[in-house]
This record gives sequence, structure tokens and C-alpha cells, in this order.
Amino acid sequence: DAGVIQSPRHEVTEMGQEVTLRCKPISGHNSLFWYRQTMMRGLELLIYFNNNVPIDDSGMPEDRFSAKMPNASFSTLKIQPSEPRDSAVYFCASSLRAINSPLHFGNGTRLTVT
Amino acid sequence: ELKVEQNPLFLSMQEGKNYTIYCNYSTTSDRLYWYRQDPGKSLESLFVLLSNGAVKQEGRLMASLDTKARLSTLHITAAVHDLSATYFCAVGLMEYGNKLVFGAGTILRVKS
Repeated sequence: DAGVIQSPRHEVTEMGQEVTLRCKPISGHNSLFWYRQTMMRGLELLIYFNNNVPIDDSGMPEDRFSAKMPNASFSTLKIQPSEPRDSAVYFCASSLRAINSPLHFGNGTRLTVT
Repeated sequence: ELKVEQNPLFLSMQEGKNYTIYCNYSTTSDRLYWYRQDPGKSLESLFVLLSNGAVKQEGRLMASLDTKARLSTLHITAAVHDLSATYFCAVGLMEYGNKLVFGAGTILRVKS
């Protein structure tokens, strides 16, 4: 199994530009999560999906952020327009929807907004 | 609101020594996870603890759960340099769905 695959690994963009992060979960996993990690705020859950349906997006910081999961094997997190304070590592994770199933994390996308 | 606190946040220890990382959480939970993160890397699942009194061990790491005290511990025995990493606990509750809330992490440095 290839694990959770995220792209790109690194993204450098200028303030105001649109950024799209991509995630392919582990095949067969029915829950998908987007987390953001910064030194100041640690790991924050942005949004999660069960069976491709968004369940809780209360962690999405503002309307500039949006996430989609058009099918079981693909999700995107979009920031438009991007701002310097969005600079962070964004992790995607997937799991089975079972109480004993840990989250499996991708390698993350390091986003730098200048 | 479910809150998770870890302590210490930073731990520097000599090889061969023992130490414990603590994870407290604010409301009833039905599962607790421990993860490891190496610098610049992803998070790796170490343990899943589901019931009061659960204890799991892998090598020099042992995790335990006391649901009544809302406390989990990660005990390190005879530390070696390869254990240097950041360790996170994460707590969830099925009524929140699969949502996990992570602690701030404990940076562990094992000195040779």
C-alpha cells in the first residue's frame, strides 16, 4: 500500500494567489481529514469527511478555505486568496471509520506564502 | 469542548534513563492514540488505547490509559538516541465522529 499521497510536497506562492493542495487517501479508507500544523498552534483539524461527505468543517479558519472530496480516492484543499499567515504544513490523513483505526498521515505539503 | 494537554513539552534526557510523558484530557473519551513525528516528517501511529487500564508496549515505549483520571502515559525505558522525536497524544470520541484532538506534542531529545 502506498499510503496517503499528498501533492505537492512544497508550495511557494505570493500573497493573493490561489493554492490547491491534493490528497489521495489509502484505498478502502472511508474517512479523510485535513490538518494544519504550525509552531504556534500545533496540529489543528480543519475539516473531515466520512464517505466523501463533509462532516465537520468548524476548523476551517475562514471563507478563503474550501475543501472537496468528489470521490473516495481524491480530495482537495483550496485557499483563495492566500495570505502569509496561511504558511504551514498541511497534512491529509485517512482512516477506516472504526473506533480502533488510527489515522494514517500523508507526508504533508509545506506551504509558504510570501 | 475536548482539550488535550501534554507535559512536559520538552524533554532532554540521557541515554539509558527512564522517563514518562503525560497526557491529560478534559472530557470522557473512548479512544486515545500516541503518535511519533520525526523532524520534517509525517506522523506515525504508535499505540491505540481503547479501554480503562489498557497497556501496550513496543520496544522501549509503553503506553497506558486511565479513563477515570482522564490520563494516559507514555513511558520510555532506557532511552536511546533513536527515540529522539516529537510525541503526540490524540483523543477522540465517537460522538464527535472520527474527530481527533491532538496535544501540543512533547519534543524528546536523547543525548548520547
